[in-house]
Amino acid sequence: AQKVTQAQTEISVVEKEDVTLDCVYETRDTTYYLFWYKQPPSGELVFLIRRNSFDEQNEISGRYSWNFQKSTSSFNFTITASQVVDSAVYFCALSHNFNKFYFGSGTKLNVKP
Amino acid sequence: DAGVIQSPRHEVTEMGQEVTLRCKPISGHNSLFWYRQTMMRGLELLIYFNNNVPIDDSGMPEDRFSAKMPNASFSTLKIQPSEPRDSAVYFCASSRGGGLEQYFGPGTRLTVT
Repeated sequence: AQKVTQAQTEISVVEKEDVTLDCVYETRDTTYYLFWYKQPPSGELVFLIRRNSFDEQNEISGRYSWNFQKSTSSFNFTITASQVVDSAVYFCALSHNFNKFYFGSGTKLNVKP
Repeated sequence: DAGVIQSPRHEVTEMGQEVTLRCKPISGHNSLFWYRQTMMRGLELLIYFNNNVPIDDSGMPEDRFSAKMPNASFSTLKIQPSEPRDSAVYFCASSRGGGLEQYFGPGTRLTVT
């Protein structure tokens, strides 16, 4: 069975705090892909990152970083020095070669000034 | 390059009316997806196409929903007859397939009264 769990429904932080969004996945396949998307209040879904199951290297992009650990089936997302513009719902997703995405339920991040 | 284009952006209709949502995927993308997003059910995959062929329509709620992709640059999602419980934001997304990231359109907010 394929499943993505985002246990944190909503997180509130104050600007400049670091925040980590958790994502735990389930799959029996050895080849799979993990994604993060951002959905700001305006409503569109914005692609942030894609990782494949053979690449466990952590990735950093500006204030964003991602920690992929196959041993714990987790793909966590950290925002360093959060800003108000980071306020959004963040979705983690799992896919295989067959294209179908399995989305988590999302984590709503509120960054307060 | 233009992103995924959806029309209309907003649709308000009365129960029983036919509704047609339209999508133009990114040029060169061979996979197209229709999603529905509600507060209660989150982001649900309704149907997806590879090379214009429907692959998985298991998410289509019932026979009132139908989707077509007559060519590589156009798809429609039709609801006939519409019901108030169909009120949601409908997203179209496209990708190059093979586990690659999906790019989402801005969505159509449908309200059925």
